This record gives sequence, structure tokens and C-alpha cells, in this order.
Amino acid sequence: DQQVKQNSPSLSVQEGRISILNCDYTNSMFDYFLWYKKYPAEGPTFLISISSIKDKNEDGRFTVFLNKSAKHLSLHIVPSQPGDSAVYFCAANGHNFNKFYFGSGTKLNVKP
Amino acid sequence: DSGVTQTPKHLITATGQRVTLRCSPRSGDLSVYWYQQSLDQGLQFLIQYYNGEERAKGNILERFSAQQFPDLHSELNLSSLELGDSALYFCASSRTSGRPGELFFGEGSRLTVL
Repeated sequence: DQQVKQNSPSLSVQEGRISILNCDYTNSMFDYFLWYKKYPAEGPTFLISISSIKDKNEDGRFTVFLNKSAKHLSLHIVPSQPGDSAVYFCAANGHNFNKFYFGSGTKLNVKP
Repeated sequence: DSGVTQTPKHLITATGQRVTLRCSPRSGDLSVYWYQQSLDQGLQFLIQYYNGEERAKGNILERFSAQQFPDLHSELNLSSLELGDSALYFCASSRTSGRPGELFFGEGSRLTVL
């Protein structure tokens, strides 16, 4: 039962342009969402998070948007850089959950 | 460097065998989580421990077991291995149990079952 879905396995973007990665969830009890970035041969690293009391959180080039009614969140990277090329996972958590649910990841390729 | 240490980094074994993966959490973190990432799959939650006690269980097979020791390191035991158990196994740690702000992942243990 995939409660967090990333429907795009891959995304290719030109350097300097915007990258938009999408994530959908099914469980309305989720109230905390995170994005992780993973380089090959490394573990995932935390990138940015958002609580359900907000609809936007910004950290430098990274902005996460949350649309609770649509059960959808997105990660915007502006401007995209070649070093951003990685697999991005979204994850969700809720008050009654002791675990995070992860999506299957989106592989971002930023072309120079 | 996340501060989470996993050993071994790579492991090749045969079907039917048993292996143990080890994880040392970040200093001060009481919660340890185990995740499995099969080829082109997302991170599948296996099990969580908090301060030595099992807190949550995911899609962990009966052939798999885990424990967290008094020094807070954790081991994931995989037995009667099958080809389909080949995967990356990640350990993650966090400060708390109920509402972790974020998880800190190790680099993973890549298991290949031949």
C-alpha cells in the first residue's frame, strides 16, 4: 500500500532553469512532510520539510509547497545546478505514526 | 557525514545463508530505523527501535529480525536468504521516537544474494 507516491521516476532540466518534483499522498492523517536527496553510494540526506500548518517553506534555492486539499506537495529548485543531480525522495509522517512513509524517488538530472 | 555508521558496506552471500547488518546511530540518538531499498524501489520501512525497545514494525519478513542493544547500536539479522533479498539496507537514527524531526541515514549496506 503505497501511501506516498512519486509518479515521475526521472526528470531532466537545463542548468539555471527550475526543477519541479512532485509528490502525492493518500493518508489525510499525515501532517509533516520532508524531502531527502540521495547521491549514488550515499545515504539519503535531509533537504527541507514542511508542516501541514504551512503551505510553503523556503530554504535558499529550495521551496516546498503543500496543497492539503489535493494531498500534493512539490519541491521547486531554482536555479537548478548540476550538483543537484540526485534522487529525491519525499516522505510523510503523522501524529500517530512512528515511521516515515517514503515515495519511490525521482531521479533529477541537471544538464550543464 | 551523517554520524550514522553501517557495516558492512557490501556483502555477497548465497541463498539460504544468514547475515547480520550493523548500525551505530548518531551520538545521542535513541531511535533507530531500518529501511530496505530494492532495485528502483522506494525506501520500504522495516522496523524501528527506541532505546532498546521495538516501537514500530513495517513490512518486515519473518525471516528477518532486529534488535537494539544497551549501547544503542542495532543489528538487522537476515536469514534463509533468497535472491529477492538483494537490496540496499539503510539504517537511520533520530533523537526521539514519537515525532522525529528528521532522520539521519547511514550510507547503507548493499547485500547481494547469489
